[in-house]
Amino acid sequence: AQSVTQPDIHITVSEGASLELRCNYSYGATPYLFWYVQSPGQGLQLLLKYFSGDTLVQGIKGFEAEFKRSQSSFNLRKPSVHWSDAAEYFCAVGAVTNAGKSTFGDGTTLTVKP
Amino acid sequence: KAGVTQTPRYLIKTRGQQVTLSCSPISGHRSVSWYQQTPGQGLQFLFEYFSETQRNKGNFPGRFSGRQFSNSRSEMNVSTLELGDSALYLCASSIGQGLASYEQYFGPGTRLTVT
Repeated sequence: AQSVTQPDIHITVSEGASLELRCNYSYGATPYLFWYVQSPGQGLQLLLKYFSGDTLVQGIKGFEAEFKRSQSSFNLRKPSVHWSDAAEYFCAVGAVTNAGKSTFGDGTTLTVKP
Repeated sequence: KAGVTQTPRYLIKTRGQQVTLSCSPISGHRSVSWYQQTPGQGLQFLFEYFSETQRNKGNFPGRFSGRQFSNSRSEMNVSTLELGDSALYLCASSIGQGLASYEQYFGPGTRLTVT
């Protein structure tokens, strides 16, 4: 069975500082990996996705993520955080044989200090 | 292009009642997935419908059911509500075929409170 672990429940960074959110997955084959963001009272918005190929993927809002098979990780990064980035971030894995069904991590809440 | 819409946005029900939630996917999307989000359990997959057929199902009791109509709109029903069913119910749509089927677009959710 596939699973996703986000080790950090809560992260606080200063505005303008860099950000890295960690994600580890467990899946027997090559996973499809995603990062979503959820603002309070909102649904989830897809930030970026990895299917195959280049292990560094670019997303919206200046985010990027790197797939490292050897570490079973898919960490999300942003070089300079803006106050509007404060939200909850979810890493998810999709199974090759289960389109439409994603397994989500528990989420990381990002607080941005002025 | 309009996004995924869910109605109602908020709902308060009493234990033992039943409830129906509605989801309209993005135009052209044929897959609709439902998720339950709670503080304790996080985001859990309920089921997915594609072309009016249930294609995937999560580990929820039979009180949770769904259906999809020919226009791809979907409804989910929860019967005999329990306090633990209080949650944010999220609907996500996708094209439903190929790699794009893994790119899910979420609605704002329906907040269900069971008293």
